[in-house]
Parts: sequence; structure tokens; C-alpha cells
Amino acid sequence: GAVVSQHPSWVICKSGTSVKIECRSLDFQATTMFWYRQFPKQSLMLMATSNEGSKATYEQGVEKDKFLINHASLTLSTLTVTSAHPEDSSFYICSARDGLGQFFGPGTRLTVL
Amino acid sequence: AQRVTQPEKLLSVFKGAPVELKCNYSYSGSPELFWYVQYSRQRLQLLLRHISRESIKGFTADLNKGETSFHLKKPFAQEEDSAMYYCALLTGANNLFFGTGTRLTVIP
Repeated sequence: GAVVSQHPSWVICKSGTSVKIECRSLDFQATTMFWYRQFPKQSLMLMATSNEGSKATYEQGVEKDKFLINHASLTLSTLTVTSAHPEDSSFYICSARDGLGQFFGPGTRLTVL
Repeated sequence: AQRVTQPEKLLSVFKGAPVELKCNYSYSGSPELFWYVQYSRQRLQLLLRHISRESIKGFTADLNKGETSFHLKKPFAQEEDSAMYYCALLTGANNLFFGTGTRLTVIP
């Protein structure tokens, strides 16, 4: 089946720094990519939806200036958490969709000290 | 607005017993519903979708529009079914919204 990768799988950073997370669709071209956030023992919350070459659409309550999404190609989307704070610590999961379905990456655990 | 409700956070059943994971939804449009599963230390993966009307790993789910439900069922639970199960709703804008999930534990 289709594979979605994320890098890094785990990142620890200091408060105030920015962190970039990459999401790649390895063997297919994704028409749309999604970014989700998952708190411990909670469900996945959709943060934003992005289509290649256009601006991301953010869900209500998600700060677009804090969570910068770039969808440079049909196989790559990046999420940059700017000026990270401890409350941004979470599990970030990307997902990519093609005509056959929606596939999920393994997630990136962000810990902000 | 859409909403997906999974009332049980935890569910334990004995091996061989029937299992039902409940999912109710609220959506003004025509719903497209899915069940996703996440095994320990693995990524989220699609289990089944209502439009396929298929049985995967012995699991089935029927969309009941009258009761706005999409419960997941299996007649005989196996130990390898232990996992986190998420019900999800696809909106007209092609966004997938998830319920809070149910952790199923099958007791040997």
C-alpha cells in the first residue's frame, strides 16, 4: 500500500526555537496533505489541510502564524512550529491522500523544554 | 458542524467473545464513515469504510442513518485485535474528522 513517511520521528527543542517536520508520500503523489495533532490518550485533531502549490486551510483555533505549512510538491509537505513553547509538545501526524484513499505517517513526537 | 462520538474509551472482552465498538455521528450532509485502527507502536491504518460494505479481519460495520451510528462488530474477538480503534467521518470538504477512540483489549 501507499507509504507516508515523517521526519524526524522525535524531536526535543528549547522553548523559543522553531522546528520543522517533513511529511513525504513515498510511492504516490498526494493531491492533498493533512496535519493532525494528537495529545496523550486523545483523538487526532485536524490542524490544517494543504494542496500542492496553494495556501493551507487551517481549522478553527489553529494559529496559522505559529504552525506554518508548506506544500512544495505533490510528495512533500512541511510543518514548522515557530517559537515553540512547552504547550506545543504533542504528537504530530501527517496524512496524504490520493485517489485510492488517505494514508497516515508514523507521527513525530515534539517535546519542547 | 460534524461530530463523531465514541462513548467507550476502554473496552475489554475475552478471547472468542463478540465485540462491538460504538460510533455515533452528527453531520448535516451525506456521511462517509470509516474505521481506523492503530496497533501498538504502529501507524494509523484504515480498517474499513462503509461504502465498501466489506469485512476486514472479521470486522464489519453497518451505517445506520436512522440511528446515526456506524458500530464496529466482530463475532469472535482475537488477541491480535487489541488496539486503538477510531471512527472517522469524511466531510464534503474532504476532511477526515476522528472520534476520541476506543482502546480494545482482548483478554486471553
